[in-house]
Amino acid sequence: SQTIHQWPATLVQPVGSPLSLECTVEGTSNPNLYWYRQAAGRGLQLLFYSVGIGQISSEVPQNLSASRPQDRQFILSSKKLLLSDSGFYLCAWTIVGSNTEAFFGQGTRLTVV
Amino acid sequence: LAKTTQPISMDSYEGQEVNITCSHNNIATNDYITWYQQFPSQGPRFIIQGYKTKVTNEVASLFIPADRKSSTLSLPRVSLSDTAVYYCLVGDFRSYNTDKLIFGTGTRLQVFP
Repeated sequence: SQTIHQWPATLVQPVGSPLSLECTVEGTSNPNLYWYRQAAGRGLQLLFYSVGIGQISSEVPQNLSASRPQDRQFILSSKKLLLSDSGFYLCAWTIVGSNTEAFFGQGTRLTVV
Repeated sequence: LAKTTQPISMDSYEGQEVNITCSHNNIATNDYITWYQQFPSQGPRFIIQGYKTKVTNEVASLFIPADRKSSTLSLPRVSLSDTAVYYCLVGDFRSYNTDKLIFGTGTRLQVFP
């Protein structure tokens, strides 16, 4: 069966520090991968999505970046965190060529202090 | 990707049927309608998907009129545990250059005892 792993679950980082959040998918090949951010009480904001290794589309210009070094690995990074980067980060995947559901990780609660 | 419009919030009481309507006037021929449920500090979870008429599963029903310009998610006999945010998504996610999974603000359903 397919599963998605996202870590860490919570993270507290000082302003100006780097960030690396990792997401891996098991049980499927060539998934579409997504990174979302959700501010408290708000909807999900799509940050990045990827249709293949090394293929990243950015939805919102900001100091975050994403990479897909392997088929089932999606990494969200920042060189220098801002206070406004605080939020709930979610990774998701879908099956290419299918209209079926998207599967989400458990999320990372990031607090920048 | 068709734009969707949902009520921001709804209140209900335990045991009642709840109907949440989503408007999507610009839905395309190949678009499907998908609903997700999100609890606090969790990723969204797929509820139901449909193309036309009516779809029912163990959780909900989805009603889609002939013109497909709107859809209604029906939750029978809600309980306190149905308190969540419900998102309506419309798009064709089958193609390689997939419609991006863009979530709107959703409908915040509050169920009272």
